[in-house]
Amino acid sequence: DTAVSQTPKYLVTQMGNDKSIKCEQNLGHDTMYWYKQDSKKFLKIMFSYNNKELIINETVPNRFSPKSPDKAHLNLHINSLELGDSAVYFCASSQFGQGEVEKLFFGSGTQLSVL
Amino acid sequence: AQSVAQPEDQVNVAEGNPLTVKCTYSVSGNPYLFWYVQYPNRGLQFLLKYITGDNLVKGSYGFEAEFNKSQTSFHLKKPSALVSDSALYFCAVRDTRSGAGSYQLTFGKGTKLSVIP
Repeated sequence: DTAVSQTPKYLVTQMGNDKSIKCEQNLGHDTMYWYKQDSKKFLKIMFSYNNKELIINETVPNRFSPKSPDKAHLNLHINSLELGDSAVYFCASSQFGQGEVEKLFFGSGTQLSVL
Repeated sequence: AQSVAQPEDQVNVAEGNPLTVKCTYSVSGNPYLFWYVQYPNRGLQFLLKYITGDNLVKGSYGFEAEFNKSQTSFHLKKPSALVSDSALYFCAVRDTRSGAGSYQLTFGKGTKLSVIP
């Protein structure tokens, strides 16, 4: 059973399109994240939700909109895709408290290619 | 502000030799420190963490890391490298003085470890 699953694994699309990436975790965690990894492997947080509430919103274009319907899901919707959005997007989850500070569990990533 | 530096883009080591992957950090308070490993086409996996207590932390797959407050370092080590250890390694830090709502790690840029048979 995959702990953090995200779909699709690969996403190839044209500039200007709107696309979504879905993420689900079955670990019972209360916090979920979206990270972006660029072509140089640099990893940067985009958003974090705790119990469905946004707690981190880094400097990300407002074309990116996260949605958390419940604490097991955090989806990422991207409007008007641009070439610079091409990257690998990782979903992650964690459970605060209980001595498990920032032990993140990552999904396997979504490779987004904007043509 | 919190930051972390991994000074080496790549580390090459022969199989069976000890390995070290370097990490230094900067925080205004005390640090929480982490190492994660990324295998090709996979997400990051947690290796080990330092929160408080013993400066030598042991983690998964035989890895360990030593917290050195005076040098603000948290180098990852393993006594005997395996070919299967070849991967991308990320150091991460969070300042314990981060305010509420700042539950975020800052990751280093990663170090590619190649273990040569």
